[in-house]
Amino acid sequence: AQSVAQPEDQVNVAEGNPLTVKCTYSVSGNPYLFWYVQYPNRGLQFLLKYITGDNLVKGSYGFEAEFNKSQTSFHLKKPSALVSDSALYFCAVRDERTSGSARQLTFGSGTQLTVLP
Amino acid sequence: DAMVIQNPRYQVTQFGKPVTLSCSQTLNHNVMYWYQQKSSQAPKLLFHYYDKDFNNEADTPDNFQSRRPNTSFCFLDIRSPGLGDAAMYLCATSRDKGTAYEQYFGPGTRLTVT
Repeated sequence: AQSVAQPEDQVNVAEGNPLTVKCTYSVSGNPYLFWYVQYPNRGLQFLLKYITGDNLVKGSYGFEAEFNKSQTSFHLKKPSALVSDSALYFCAVRDERTSGSARQLTFGSGTQLTVLP
Repeated sequence: DAMVIQNPRYQVTQFGKPVTLSCSQTLNHNVMYWYQQKSSQAPKLLFHYYDKDFNNEADTPDNFQSRRPNTSFCFLDIRSPGLGDAAMYLCATSRDKGTAYEQYFGPGTRLTVT
């Protein structure tokens, strides 16, 4: 079975400071990892993904995430937060080797990021 | 711009009155998904289509049905909405069913049941 955990329901950071949103995962095989962002009353927007290769993945809006296999983590980061980054962030995982319904994305519970002016 | 479109954005229905939500895509993606999302929780997959192949999640209630008449359109039918079905319903697409493909979401339809 695959699972993903976002240990923080809420993260607050001051504008201009670096931000980190944490994500850990559990899969049997190799993980495919995704980050999505959701603004109020909107659908999810794809930010970035890790499939293979370089552990540091760069995505939209200046976000990046680092895949750490030994710690089974895929934390989302941004060097300098903007007030407009305030939103709900979801980490998601798929196991490369699964089939059928298990091939579907498993989402974390979400982390509400608030960037304070 | 290629996109996923959901109509209506807000839908109010009465308890027990059938309702249909629609989704269309201009991405020409093979896979379309319907998710239910409550109160900023993680989206819950209801079912998905790979082309015309329908795949129902095991815990999706029979009250929820779906149709995909062509590549571009997909519908969610709720036969007898209950108060517990009030939620945001998200449509998503992906290019293919491989596990590496990201999903593209529509803006959602917020369903209220009175």
